Amino acid sequence: GAGVSQSPSNKVTEKGKDVELRCDPISGHTALYWYRQSLGQGLEFLIYFQGNSAPDKSGLPSDRFSAERTGGSVSTLTIQRTQQEDSAVYLCASSSQGLRFDEQFFGPGTRLTVL
Amino acid sequence: DQQVKQNSPSLSVQEGRISILNCDYTNSMFDYFLWYKKYPAEGPTFLISISSIKDKNEDGRFTVFLNKSAKHLSLHIVPSQPGDSAVYFCAASAIETSGSRLTFGEGTQLTVNP
Repeated sequence: GAGVSQSPSNKVTEKGKDVELRCDPISGHTALYWYRQSLGQGLEFLIYFQGNSAPDKSGLPSDRFSAERTGGSVSTLTIQRTQQEDSAVYLCASSSQGLRFDEQFFGPGTRLTVL
Repeated sequence: DQQVKQNSPSLSVQEGRISILNCDYTNSMFDYFLWYKKYPAEGPTFLISISSIKDKNEDGRFTVFLNKSAKHLSLHIVPSQPGDSAVYFCAASAIETSGSRLTFGEGTQLTVNP
């Protein structure tokens, strides 16, 4: 079956513009995660969705960041009024049930560049 | 604060030799550790994991060692192959965190020379 897909693969935007990043998890996976990797840094947790529960937004760096997951499947990460420090690779992952030892499957990421 | 650290950004070894990648952590609540491997333009893929109740886990050419007292883990690859050339991320999770969110290190670029 298909893995996790993300679009676009690359996004270049101007400072102050809004961007939307999309993630299609593996079909049937109830848990979905967003991470980002800034240059020279490890992957940083942003937000976690599990089924119909309220998302864990504790990793979002500011209120300019938000995410939705519609119908328990596709997720969109929105960054408003982008800043240069938002430049990073944004990675989405899904796992079957979000249990501690469920493997997280990652998408290829979206490389965001804010000029 | 960087709770998981990989102090070596890069490592180069000869094909057939052993590769040793190191990882240190500071959060004593971490009890599950993973290694991920990442090729360019692809997402990280799971490689091997270890629970804190163990000090060693082996899977083929890959072995992970955990030293809880030193808060240190290492990944051994033997023998190393050119196809192992990739970025390796160490990751950890703690029982009190929601779901299974992972805390990652910065990654180590491994290059295996033929």
